[in-house]
Amino acid sequence: GNSVTQMEGPVTLSEEAFLTINCTYTATGYPSLFWYVQYPGEGLQLLLKATKADDKGSNKGFEATYRKETTSFHLEKGSVQVSDSAVYFCALRASGNTPLVFGKGTRLSVIA
Amino acid sequence: GAVVSQHPSRVICKSGTSVKIECRSLDFQATTMFWYRQFPKKSLMLMATSNEGSKATYEQGVEKDKFLINHASLTLSTLTVTSAHPEDSSFYICSANPRLNTDTQYFGPGTRLTVL
Repeated sequence: GNSVTQMEGPVTLSEEAFLTINCTYTATGYPSLFWYVQYPGEGLQLLLKATKADDKGSNKGFEATYRKETTSFHLEKGSVQVSDSAVYFCALRASGNTPLVFGKGTRLSVIA
Repeated sequence: GAVVSQHPSRVICKSGTSVKIECRSLDFQATTMFWYRQFPKKSLMLMATSNEGSKATYEQGVEKDKFLINHASLTLSTLTVTSAHPEDSSFYICSANPRLNTDTQYFGPGTRLTVL
C-alpha cells in the first residue's frame, strides 16, 4: 500500500539556520505530494504541494521538489525563524478524492 | 481560504457515555469528509471516509458500531463515539474536500476527547 516515511524529530535549530526535513514515499502510480504544518494548538494547514514529477512547491520560504527517481519530497528552508516552530507532516494522495496518507510528523523547534 | 470548523474543541466525558463531534465546512460544499485520529506524538490515522448521503467507509480495524459517522448534508458530518472508554481518548480531526475542487483538503482544528 501507499506509505510515507519522514525523518523523526524533534529537530532543534537556531534562528536563521538551514532546515531540511526528509520525506520519502511508496506509492503506485503518480501521487500528489503535500507538506502540512501544525502550529501549537491549531489544526493542520497546507504548507505546499506538488502534483507531478519535478514540480516544486513553495510557500513562506519553504520549498520541496517532487523527485520521482528517488521517491522523495524533502522540505527545505534557507533561514528558519522562531515562528516556524511546529510539527510538519509529509503526505501523499493517490488520486483526487482519496484520503491523505501521512508520515509520522517531525517536530521542529527554533530557538532564538 | 476555505474554513472547516469542529465542535466541540474539547470534551471530557465519563466512561460509558456517548459523545458527538461535528465537522462543518463553513464556506463550501463538501461531498467527502474524512475523519482522522491523532495519538500523542504520532501521525494522523485515517478512521473513515464520509460521503454525503451514503454510508461511511471505515478503515480496517475501526469499529463502525463504535464510531458512528453521519454525513447528512454537504456541509456537515458528525462522528459519534459510543460507549466511550478511556482508550478512546484522543485528538479527532476532520477534513473536507470541496465539491468543486477535490485536489485540496481542508482540515478542522480538531477535537480533544478525554474519557474519564
